[in-house]
Amino acid sequence: GIQVEQSPPDLILQEGANSTLRCNFSDSVNNLQWFHQNPWGQLINLFYIPSGTKQNGRLSATTVATERYSLLYISSSQTTDSGVYFCAPGRNSGGGADGLTFGKGTHLIIQP
Amino acid sequence: DTEVTQTPKHLVMGMTNKKSLKCEQHMGHRAMYWYKQKAKKPPELMFVYSYEKLSINESVPSRFSPECPNSSLLNLHLHALQPEDSALYLCASSHPRDTNTDTQYFGPGTRLTVL
Repeated sequence: GIQVEQSPPDLILQEGANSTLRCNFSDSVNNLQWFHQNPWGQLINLFYIPSGTKQNGRLSATTVATERYSLLYISSSQTTDSGVYFCAPGRNSGGGADGLTFGKGTHLIIQP
Repeated sequence: DTEVTQTPKHLVMGMTNKKSLKCEQHMGHRAMYWYKQKAKKPPELMFVYSYEKLSINESVPSRFSPECPNSSLLNLHLHALQPEDSALYLCASSHPRDTNTDTQYFGPGTRLTVL
């Protein structure tokens, strides 16, 4: 299966700081998603980004599929950004739906 | 409406019990998923249904039995579970990849404790 490595595993920042989270994956993929899991366990999809760059407010993501990595940028961090950020690539199963393989995540703490 | 609902929110069961987890979505998605998440670990894929047919079973023990009665509903039947099966069970749904995006939307999960 796909191997996924995320870095850093833990990150503590002051409110207002910027950060870059990295995801490396071992195989070519046709699906990659970034998620934020809040302290109550809810997983929120941030980006569907198998290639290219997308932006949504203070968050942006870039995937370079040929080099097998993706980056998540968080600017002007807020305390509500705290939680675990997961990268999850997937491969077409042939049945029309991709099962995702999650990395171990980056645990982000934003201090006021 | 981008909501996936799961019931119950919490479940405590003994090793001899039979129980079911329920997941529902009304977004017209034709793919639905079960993931299992142990404490401080990432979610792990269990099952994938595409157009109401099981397309992926990640070698899950037979004490977990999925069912997709229709395109909006996904069940996970539990029988003779072990304490190590205690975890957060997450359901997700998406459009299959014949559309432009396969974003997966997750429910809030069922927190299962097996005594």
